[in-house]
Amino acid sequence: GIQVEQSPPDLILQEGANSTLRCNFSDSVNNLQWFHQNPWGQLINLFYIPSGTKQNGRLSATTVATERYSLLYISSSQTTDSGVYFCAVGPPIKEETSGSRLTFGEGTQLTVNP
Amino acid sequence: KAGVTQTPRYLIKTRGQQVTLSCSPISGHRSVSWYQQTPGQGLQFLFEYFSETQRNKGNFPGRFSGRQFSNSRSEMNVSTLELGDSALYLCASSLEPSGRTIYFGEGSWLTVV
Repeated sequence: GIQVEQSPPDLILQEGANSTLRCNFSDSVNNLQWFHQNPWGQLINLFYIPSGTKQNGRLSATTVATERYSLLYISSSQTTDSGVYFCAVGPPIKEETSGSRLTFGEGTQLTVNP
Repeated sequence: KAGVTQTPRYLIKTRGQQVTLSCSPISGHRSVSWYQQTPGQGLQFLFEYFSETQRNKGNFPGRFSGRQFSNSRSEMNVSTLELGDSALYLCASSLEPSGRTIYFGEGSWLTVV
């Protein structure tokens, strides 16, 4: 199956710092999403970004589909940004299947200290 | 607009028992998928339903089953529980099966003792 690798696995920042999280995936996909899991376990959808660049406030994401990687940028981090960030991809395009079946990476545990 | 609702939120079961978890999707969403999250295996896809039909199934034993009702609500069942089934079970809903944007519930925390 498709492989999703995230780096770094852990990241500790001081409030106000910027960070970049990376997601590599092993096959061409037309569905890639970034999620933030809060301390209570809920996954919050940040971006649907199979290609291109999007921005939402202090967060932005870029996916280079031809090179099979995606980056999530967090600027001016706040303590509320702490949690686990997951990259998830849909089935490989060559499988010609649709559906919301997502393969998740192992996540990046982000800790933002005051 | 209410989000994805999962019940129960927390439960403890004994090995060998069975459990049923419920998920009510966002109003108007017809696609529901389920995921299992454990510290060792991470987030893994269980199954996906659309219009009461199972469209995809993950690599889990037959003890794991699910269904979707005509109102799009979904249930998953795990029979003959094992200690390794202890996990956070997450339900997600989307408007249609492409899964372009999916919304997760808060999950059901299952502990098997």
